[in-house]
Amino acid sequence: GENVEQHPSTLSVQEGDSAVIKCTYSDSASNYFPWYKQELGKRPQLIIDIRSNVGEKKDQRIAVTLNKTAKHFSLHITETQPEDSAVYFCAASKGSYIPTFGRGTSLIVHP
Amino acid sequence: SQTIHQWPATLVQPVGSPLSLECTVEGTSNPNLYWYRQAAGRGLQLLFYSVGIGQISSEVPQNLSASRPQDRQFILSSKKLLLSDSGFYLCAWSVLRPTHKSVNTEAFFGQGTRLTVV
Repeated sequence: GENVEQHPSTLSVQEGDSAVIKCTYSDSASNYFPWYKQELGKRPQLIIDIRSNVGEKKDQRIAVTLNKTAKHFSLHITETQPEDSAVYFCAASKGSYIPTFGRGTSLIVHP
Repeated sequence: SQTIHQWPATLVQPVGSPLSLECTVEGTSNPNLYWYRQAAGRGLQLLFYSVGIGQISSEVPQNLSASRPQDRQFILSSKKLLLSDSGFYLCAWSVLRPTHKSVNTEAFFGQGTRLTVV
């Protein structure tokens, strides 16, 4: 089955800095890569996703890149703000199969 | 629009007592349904998933069971809770969403149930 590794487990940055979270996956057939944000005590919610036919996708301060050859994808947050503090999960899936989640990254943005 | 309801939000149960957590989805039909557990400071561990009524697949051996008596209802149960069953339980659903070039399966999560076994 699919295996998703996510790093780092904890990331601490100053407000205004950039943050990068990296994930690798094992199944080359995976074709959908969503990212979820989970604020403290709340449910995970989708913030951005990318399909395997796209190398990069951007939405305001958030961007995701995908390298299919190397089987890794990354989340980039620029100009971080305190409200970006949360746990971020990457995931990988293929077609209708259930997504496999990474273990999560706790992002802390210091004001 | 689609919504997912999960209850209760918090639960404190003694060791050895039974458990029943319920999850219902509105606004969609034949969803894939999932139960995840999130221990403190840990990631999302998939416990069960279901692709249809009465169809349950288990990902890990455990003290819990799941049932899907109706298309949009998913129940997580235990006959006798253990201390190690404490955690944050999340129900989620997804459905095939074809686009021009591929099929995406975004997952939508319920609000979660924080279970403390004492």
